[in-house]
Amino acid sequence: DIQMTQSPSSLSASVGDRVTIACRASQSISNYLNWYQQKPGKAPKLLIYAASSLQAGVPLRFSGSGSGTDFTLTISSLQPEDFATYYCQQSYSTPRTFGQGTKVEIK
Amino acid sequence: QVQLQQWGAGLLKPSETLSLTCAVYGGSFSAYYWSWIRQSPGKGLEWIGEINHSGSTNDNPSLKSRVTISIDTSKNQFSLKLSSVTAADTALYYCARGFTVTKLGHYYYGMDVWGQGTTVIVSS
Repeated sequence: DIQMTQSPSSLSASVGDRVTIACRASQSISNYLNWYQQKPGKAPKLLIYAASSLQAGVPLRFSGSGSGTDFTLTISSLQPEDFATYYCQQSYSTPRTFGQGTKVEIK
Repeated sequence: QVQLQQWGAGLLKPSETLSLTCAVYGGSFSAYYWSWIRQSPGKGLEWIGEINHSGSTNDNPSLKSRVTISIDTSKNQFSLKLSSVTAADTALYYCARGFTVTKLGHYYYGMDVWGQGTTVIVSS
């Protein structure tokens, strides 16, 4: 199985901050990488697929980059509704494994 | 607007079989993968498996062949059975729609529509 490791596990930030979350795969996955946002009591929501393609309806302040084993999710200007947990997922092979999550909290 | 609605027993005893069903409303059934994912505090999000409209499945080897995913195209429903459950199977279970997009000759996959989740507790 491909292991996905996110860093940090949690972070504190203020509204308006630029936030970056990292995700590393245990082997090269090209750009077969998705990012999800999950709020308490809700199902995950797809933000980005293919490492950098924004899912329809997702605000432009979200962006993704990377290829191979190292990937980044960036929120350019954190908004109040962005406080949530973010997960990466590889879609290179099955089982389609997730990272352990990064919780973005209010500073 | 596609919606997934899931249901099933929420309280099981060890060794019983977990059974969940997910109904798809408002969209095509044949063009997607239909997936099950679970979430527990100890293990985070865990992909269980998927099925397409033809009945072809992929599942997670970590579940040691306890998983059966089936599909009923006449009802636009798909189901999960997980046999011989233990306390380690206690989790919030989600169904989800998996799509593929072709970009530059590559097929990319994501899960864009999710059910509401079903809490399953395994306890004697």
